[in-house]
Amino acid sequence: RKEVEQDPGPFNVPEGATVAFNCTYSNSASQSFFWYRQDCRKEPKLLMSVYSSGNEDGRFTAQLNRASQYISLLIRDSKLSDSATYLCVVNLWGQNFVFGPGTRLSVLP
Amino acid sequence: ETGVTQTPRHLVMGMTNKKSLKCEQHLGHNAMYWYKQSAKKPLELMFVYNFKEQTENNSVPSRFSPECPNSSHLFLHLHTLQPEDSALYLCASSPGTSGVVADTQYFGPGTRLTVL
Repeated sequence: RKEVEQDPGPFNVPEGATVAFNCTYSNSASQSFFWYRQDCRKEPKLLMSVYSSGNEDGRFTAQLNRASQYISLLIRDSKLSDSATYLCVVNLWGQNFVFGPGTRLSVLP
Repeated sequence: ETGVTQTPRHLVMGMTNKKSLKCEQHLGHNAMYWYKQSAKKPLELMFVYNFKEQTENNSVPSRFSPECPNSSHLFLHLHTLQPEDSALYLCASSPGTSGVVADTQYFGPGTRLTVL
């Protein structure tokens, strides 16, 4: 089983839609969790950290379920500029990061 | 954003060449990383330096040689590469911690490497 798994997509959604991405991780000792976005031919950029209680940043909501080893990202009111690949990242400890393969999102006009 | 810079941004080299990639971070961080990103594959961690000490080397071939002279600079020395080494090489930095407290990474723009 891969350490971090994501649905590769692509997810093609119309502007204004709500879209949710899922991520599962295999190591139950994982300590912290992140969502990054990566635009085509650019570097990954931190979107948000994921906290146990769930957290929200504008149109973006992240959830963590430690029992099921599952992380989610919800994007409401999708914009064209949200089109990117969304990377789930899990940290076991310190500097030990594992990246998922990413889920590609295309928001269509 | 210029927190983490990488040079060159593009590099084409032959299999017998020797070249170096440079990364510099201006964030006051203590940990630096090299990643490889090939087409349609997840980011692969290559090397980690935490407080200038190498803490991870994920079975990277010896034709890749990292150097971290101080906590702000990281190099990746390349020699006798293969065409399959063509990829985007990303540098990242993080505050750097000891113990079990997790870190948060920030990436440079990458060097797109083509090996002929």
